[in-house]
Parts: sequence; structure tokens; C-alpha cells
Amino acid sequence: GENVEQHPSTLSVQEGDSAVIKCTYSDSASNYFPWYKQELGKRPQLIIDIRSNVGEKKDQRIAVTLNKTAKHFSLHITETQPEDSAVYFCAASKRNTDKLIFGTGTRLQVFP
Amino acid sequence: DGGITQSPKYLFRKEGQNVTLSCEQNLNHDAMYWYRQDPGQGLRLIYYSQIVNDFQKGDIAEGYSVSREKKESFPLTVTSAQKNPTAFYLCASSIGAIRDNEQFFGPGTRLTVL
Repeated sequence: GENVEQHPSTLSVQEGDSAVIKCTYSDSASNYFPWYKQELGKRPQLIIDIRSNVGEKKDQRIAVTLNKTAKHFSLHITETQPEDSAVYFCAASKRNTDKLIFGTGTRLQVFP
Repeated sequence: DGGITQSPKYLFRKEGQNVTLSCEQNLNHDAMYWYRQDPGQGLRLIYYSQIVNDFQKGDIAEGYSVSREKKESFPLTVTSAQKNPTAFYLCASSIGAIRDNEQFFGPGTRLTVL
């Protein structure tokens, strides 16, 4: 079955710096890759997603890149702000299934 | 987000007791999901349902049961057979199949078994 690995588990950056979180997946048939942000004590919320027919997607300070050959995808946050501090989860799902497989999460801390 | 509710927010039970967690949505979504969240392990799928009166086991279904008698409701029962039930439980829903649709999460229920 699908397996998703996420690194690093914790990431500390200075406000204004960039942050990069990387995920790898095992099933080459996976075709949908969302990223969720979970603030302390709150529910996960989708922040960006990408499908396998696209190599990169950007939304303001957030971007996701996908390398299908290497089976990895990354979340890039530029100009980080303290409110970006949260746990970020990547996930992958395979065509014609209804299951998301989540990574183990990255705790991002942005210091002012 | 506000369309999915879970109750209660905190739940305490004695070991050996069954307990049912509530999940309701008014988003008219067909698909609903239950996840378990433990520190350092991400979200793991317990059960999911694509349509009323139908559901499938996820990756960690042992010790849990569900029902889907109504489109808007997907209760999860944590049975005494679940060896380590203390965790944060999240319910989610989506319009249909995940491949094209965002999952919306409820606020979660933190279950503590004493």
C-alpha cells in the first residue's frame, strides 16, 4: 500500500526566512497531494494541493512542487510570519480510491 | 469548517467501557471519514463511508465500529477491544471521492481512558 514519509519532524526559522518541508510517497499511481495546516488545538485545514498533471502550484507565499519521477513533493513557505507556526501534514491518494495517506507531520516554529 | 461538528470536545471513560463519538455534517457531503491522531504519527484512517448504509475499514479499524444510517451522521464507537484508545479523534467529510475534493475536518474529540 501507499506510504508517505515526511521530513523534517520539526523546523525552526527566523521570521522572514523560507521554510521547506519534503514528502516522499511509494505508490507511483498516486495522483493527488494535499497539504494541511493544523494550529495548536484546532482542526487541520487544507492550505494547498497539487495533482499529478502539474509540476508546481503557487498561492501567495505558499508553493508546492511535485517530482513524479522521484516520487516526492515539497511545501515552500516564503517570508515566514509567526502565524505560520503550526503542524503541517502532507498526504497522498491514489486514483480511484477514497483514502488519503498522511505523513507524520512537521512542527514549524517561526521566531520573531 | 463550521458545517462539521463533533461532540463532546473532551471525553473520559473507564477502561472496559464502550464509548460513542458523534460526528454530524450539514454540508450535504456524501463521504465521511474517521481518523485517529497520536503524537508523532500523523493522521491514521479508522473507517470511511462513501455513501449512506455503506462503509469500509481503514488502516486501523480493529477495536472500532461505525454506522452510516443517515447522510449527515457518522458515529464512531470505541469498543473495549481497542487496546490503546486514548487519542485525539477527527472526523472529516468531502463532497465525494477524495481524488478531486477537499476533506473538511471537524474540531475533534479528545478521548481519555482511565
